[in-house]
Amino acid sequence: DGGITQSPKYLFRKEGQNVTLSCEQNLNHDAMYWYRQDPGQGLRLIYYSQIVNDFQKGDIAEGYSVSREKKESFPLTVTSAQKNPTAFYLCASRDSHNSPLHFGNGTRLTVT
Amino acid sequence: EDKVVQSPLSLVVHEGDTVTLNCSYEVTNFRSLLWYKQEKKAPTFLFMLTSSGIEKKSGRLSSILDKKELFSILNITATQTGDSAVYLCAVANAGGTSYGKLTFGQGTILTVHP
Repeated sequence: DGGITQSPKYLFRKEGQNVTLSCEQNLNHDAMYWYRQDPGQGLRLIYYSQIVNDFQKGDIAEGYSVSREKKESFPLTVTSAQKNPTAFYLCASRDSHNSPLHFGNGTRLTVT
Repeated sequence: EDKVVQSPLSLVVHEGDTVTLNCSYEVTNFRSLLWYKQEKKAPTFLFMLTSSGIEKKSGRLSSILDKKELFSILNITATQTGDSAVYLCAVANAGGTSYGKLTFGQGTILTVHP
């Protein structure tokens, strides 16, 4: 079955530690996206990538980093510079600019 | 910066009621507007709209886009408890340095009571 896999489902970290969230897709989609969701704030765009080895900052990129070394993978690193990292993180992909986003099931990150 | 504003932020109705959710936007180069339903985790796709005035319909849900006034509405008729969810609106940017960017609104939380 084709889809987007995010792992882990729940992640707990101590303040000051970097953490990497995994996102893998087997849909052969070119574009991939990372969003953050907080209560009452909808989805906010962190980073997006249209092709391998290229990515753009979204609206809230500070404190995050990404890489796109392979078409199927778009990992997100939450660095210690991110002030409020506790949130629900959603990864998505799509195959063209005239198609909708497909979402993974998300990773809930808690930093204490 | 692209901007999407949804209203109302929350809505409580009873089964059988009809609801209208609103989405207004500002985007430098508009490509499309998308509606999603989010119940637990992953949002699920409802509609993609690119042309003004053409209604898209799926069962009890329908949506229409007005590119002149920069808004879209999502209608749900004869609501059921299973319609309870967060409804998200997003706009896709078609140009320049924001090519491919998808910006979401805050979402509307719909609660349908039996």
